[in-house]
Amino acid sequence: AQSVTQPDIHITVSEGASLELRCNYSYGATPYLFWYVQSPGQGLQLLLKYFSGDTLVQGIKGFEAEFKRSQSSFNLRKPSVHWSDAAEYFCAVGNTGGFKTIFGAGTRLFVKA
Amino acid sequence: ETGVTQSPTHLIKTRGQQVTLRCSSQSGHNTVSWYQQALGQGPQFIFQYYREEENGRGNFPPRFSGLQFPNYSSELNVNALELDDSALYLCASSQGERREYNEQFFGPGTRLTVL
Repeated sequence: AQSVTQPDIHITVSEGASLELRCNYSYGATPYLFWYVQSPGQGLQLLLKYFSGDTLVQGIKGFEAEFKRSQSSFNLRKPSVHWSDAAEYFCAVGNTGGFKTIFGAGTRLFVKA
Repeated sequence: ETGVTQSPTHLIKTRGQQVTLRCSSQSGHNTVSWYQQALGQGPQFIFQYYREEENGRGNFPPRFSGLQFPNYSSELNVNALELDDSALYLCASSQGERREYNEQFFGPGTRLTVL
């Protein structure tokens, strides 16, 4: 069965520090991979996506992610975190059957001054 | 281009009641999906409609039902509400063929509270 694991329930980083959020997936074929961000009480905003091609994907707000097939991972990174990045981050995989996106449980990011 | 919109924003119901949530897809999108996001969890897939027909369903009981209209707007209906139905309900629209995965665009959600 397809699944997405985000091992870290919450992470705290200092403003200006680098960030890496982990994501592992279980999927039989080449997955479609996504990172979304959700601020409290809000819907989901797409940060970046991987469908094929270059395994290093650039997204909005200075985020990037790297697809590593051998590790079944799609970790999200940002070189310098801003206080406004504090939010919940979801990794997700789209199935090739075409009809659903499977989400991880999310990682809550706290940013300290 | 108008994004995905949902109504109402918030809703409070009591156990046993019925509720209807509404979603307007992004212009030109022929597919709508509904997700339930319980507090502290990731969204869970409820079902998807493609050109007015159900195209897949997650692990939700039949009291969760839906409709998609010719203009591709959609409704999610939940009968016999239970306390555990309290959640943020997200609608997502996409454009493409039935058996292809297409990027989904999410609305802001409807917060349902069941007392």
